[in-house]
Amino acid sequence: ETGVTQTPRHLVMGMTNKKSLKCEQHLGHNAMYWYKQSAKKPLELMFVYNFKEQTENNSVPSRFSPECPNSSHLFLHLHTLQPEDSALYLCASSPTTGTGNTIYFGEGSWLTVV
Amino acid sequence: AQSVTQLDSQVPVFEEAPVELRCNYSSSVSVYLFWYVQYPNQGLQLLLKYLSGSTLVKGINGFEAEFNKSQTSFHLRKPSVHISDTAEYFCAVSDSDYKLSFGAGTTVTVRA
Repeated sequence: ETGVTQTPRHLVMGMTNKKSLKCEQHLGHNAMYWYKQSAKKPLELMFVYNFKEQTENNSVPSRFSPECPNSSHLFLHLHTLQPEDSALYLCASSPTTGTGNTIYFGEGSWLTVV
Repeated sequence: AQSVTQLDSQVPVFEEAPVELRCNYSSSVSVYLFWYVQYPNQGLQLLLKYLSGSTLVKGINGFEAEFNKSQTSFHLRKPSVHISDTAEYFCAVSDSDYKLSFGAGTTVTVRA
């Protein structure tokens, strides 16, 4: 139990579907992140929120839409995805986005686009 | 910008043998270094981190790592591994801000 909970753990969706990934952290942190983990590639930072404000969008396609209603919750809305978007999506949090802060990861949501 | 190279993609090792996972980074400024472990079907968990001070860092589960500035390395070691250490290990570095750059990972398989 890392204090960062992601749902669903597994998701299969068609290319025309709209779905969302949810993340909740119980650590009292103020920064939240979405990472993408593809096979045999380094983790890719997608989005960063600090105190509910988006501070980073790492050139992510608009078919991925994040939402951070408060410091404890983070969503990733998905629509018209492509098969190459199939990956493990990891949510993470840290006290703030300050240098050297430990980032705590959830267990991830496995996404398969068919 | 920093980058991380994990020199071994796969490391098979026998139980109770030592293991070393190699990590080199490139950065033009002072860095913060991390090792994370990912057990099967789980997220990443911090093993240890170097921010400043002693270059030998001790982490959880008997792991340690040594920061070598001249060689820009942060190798991870454990003197005696267990079956439960079978996992993927990621080295990561950040310099001026919170952004972590991760290596591609090293898969450790411990055999009896």
